[in-house]
Amino acid sequence: NAGVTQTPKFQVLKTGQSMTLQCAQDMNHNSMYWYRQDPGMGLRLIYYSASEGTTDKGEVPNGYNVSRLNKREFSLRLESAAPSQTSVYFCASSGGMGGEKLFFGSGTQLSVL
Amino acid sequence: QKEVEQDPGPLSVPEGAIVSLNCTYSNSAFQYFMWYRQYSRKGPELLMYTYSSGNKEDGRFTAQVDKSSKYISLFIRDSQPSDSATYLCAMSGTGRRALTFGSGTRLQVQP
Repeated sequence: NAGVTQTPKFQVLKTGQSMTLQCAQDMNHNSMYWYRQDPGMGLRLIYYSASEGTTDKGEVPNGYNVSRLNKREFSLRLESAAPSQTSVYFCASSGGMGGEKLFFGSGTQLSVL
Repeated sequence: QKEVEQDPGPLSVPEGAIVSLNCTYSNSAFQYFMWYRQYSRKGPELLMYTYSSGNKEDGRFTAQVDKSSKYISLFIRDSQPSDSATYLCAMSGTGRRALTFGSGTRLQVQP
């Protein structure tokens, strides 16, 4: 039972490089989320997708784009990475019925030099 | 001011102690309250889930919600070294899909 799977687990980028973080869930959940976690800041929402075909900005969307490829997959793209995007990124999913219980992946540790 | 405030700790207690972790919040629309546990280099995992006010108990863990004071608590009885982790409170309101998280409290239980 895989749950939420994120790839890669670690990545080092140079400023200006681009990359895509991949996320897939096998729980048939409607909603998917991308959070970033920084020391002292907790988890902050970047983007979320309430259902297949829809995406919405969260608290800190600048510098990121997302794609809800299908019900299972939700990717996060950094078009031109900046050092301020050094963080741990978590993907999560939920049933989408309100009062959400989120299920998280194991995270991607990203460093931008 | 953040919507959800949580003391970052670290909190260090001896094995067997009762631990109290707390969060305050400012948004009166929050109705769903959760506690997540996060081990080092892992994703958060749901520990407790409460709707509206009241208490909920699950083994050694008790979650309390006081909506009148905008205050939630997590109690851990007979704490174990395996409880050493960061505990994040999280909450949301009706129709608001995404959770708002506290910054997390790091707990260390000493054997």
